[in-house]
Amino acid sequence: DAKTTQPNSMESNEEEPVHLPCNHSTISGTDYIHWYRQLPSQGPEYVIHGLTSNVNNRMASLAIAEDRKSSTLILHRATLRDAAVYYCILINGQGGSEKLVFGKGTKLTVNP
Amino acid sequence: DAGVTQSPTHLIKTRGQQVTLRCSPKSGHDTVSWYQQALGQGPQFIFQYYEEEERQRGNFPDRFSGHQFPNYSSELNVNALLLGDSALYLCASSLSRSYPNQPQHFGDGTRLSIL
Repeated sequence: DAKTTQPNSMESNEEEPVHLPCNHSTISGTDYIHWYRQLPSQGPEYVIHGLTSNVNNRMASLAIAEDRKSSTLILHRATLRDAAVYYCILINGQGGSEKLVFGKGTKLTVNP
Repeated sequence: DAGVTQSPTHLIKTRGQQVTLRCSPKSGHDTVSWYQQALGQGPQFIFQYYEEEERQRGNFPDRFSGHQFPNYSSELNVNALLLGDSALYLCASSLSRSYPNQPQHFGDGTRLSIL
């Protein structure tokens, strides 16, 4: 399973942008980059995913480096509800399996 | 449209007992995966069911077994419970033919405590 590296924790202020980094230097050409987050006392929740191009949805943006060895999840205006553990996960597009391999993720604290 | 539902939400057992956890997938989903999450750690993959068969298994002993029913719901069984089995057990569902472009949907888990 391809591995990702994320900072253990990050802190932000409410209504400010947040950039959560993820390194995946051993990514293969068929690996998709997925982000999930887990709020306290809840199961993980899908945030966004991409393959090569940058992606936007109602929750966040995903910026993927040109060499695909790193990516950044961008929350444009953090709210208190965005306080969660964020997981960056690689999924092989040819593997036929949907197993998610979670690391420890980044714990995001949002200050009021 | 109901999402993934798990039951029970909390459970207390003693060492050596057996437990069964249940999961109903999101409507329209055909694949169910189970994860174990210890306190302070990320979820760890146990196994995945598709078409009532175990399709893939993580690094868990045979004490952990499962089943998928024709309506796609699933059960996780754990025999001979150990203190180390205390964890949050998460169920996730997805639609196999949309892989990997559609996300997995998680329930809020069953908190299992072993005394």
